[in-house]
Amino acid sequence: GENVGLHLPTLSVQEGDNSIINCAYSNSASDYFIWYKQESGKGPQFIIDIRSNMDKRQGQRVTVLLNKTVKHLSLQIAATQPGDSAVYFCAERTQAGTALIFGKGTTLSVSS
Amino acid sequence: DTAVSQTPKYLVTQMGNDKSIKCEQNLGHDTMYWYKQDSKKFLKIMFSYNNKELIINETVPNRFSPKSPDKAHLNLHINSLELGDSAVYFCASSRDDRPTYEQYFGPGTRLTVT
Repeated sequence: GENVGLHLPTLSVQEGDNSIINCAYSNSASDYFIWYKQESGKGPQFIIDIRSNMDKRQGQRVTVLLNKTVKHLSLQIAATQPGDSAVYFCAERTQAGTALIFGKGTTLSVSS
Repeated sequence: DTAVSQTPKYLVTQMGNDKSIKCEQNLGHDTMYWYKQDSKKFLKIMFSYNNKELIINETVPNRFSPKSPDKAHLNLHINSLELGDSAVYFCASSRDDRPTYEQYFGPGTRLTVT
């Protein structure tokens, strides 16, 4: 079956450090991956996405890396700020028009 | 200019009651979804719906039913509420005409069944 999970439930970093949040997926048929950020009391908010024909995509302070060989996805946040503190989810989609399958989430705590 | 909105934000009710959560999106999206987030923050799809097809997660009890009066709305009706239904419910929407797209989520409805 499909399974998207995260390696660590929590990650604590100092302000200014770079953060790396990892995710493993099991469905090699998935064609699209996405990272969401969820702040307390709010809905998930889009961060960055990547298609399966790419291995890297960069946004503002964030980079997503996709390694299809080992079915691994990571989110890198540069110069982490206290406002980055949230729960981060990776998700995959197996075909267009279908729902996302979410991993369990990593809680990122940034201390100043 | 809210993209995906849900009402109510909080819902407290007793076991056995029937309740509804409303969702509206003003993005012109084709597909809408309902997700359930449990106390451990795990997000799980309940339904996805567009004007062609309703896809139901087989694990969802038939006490839950989505109703779509039009393309911009997907309401969630829950009958005979149980303690285990307590969770945060999120509505989301997306376009279908692109190979990649994000799903836009609403702010969530925290349902507490006592």
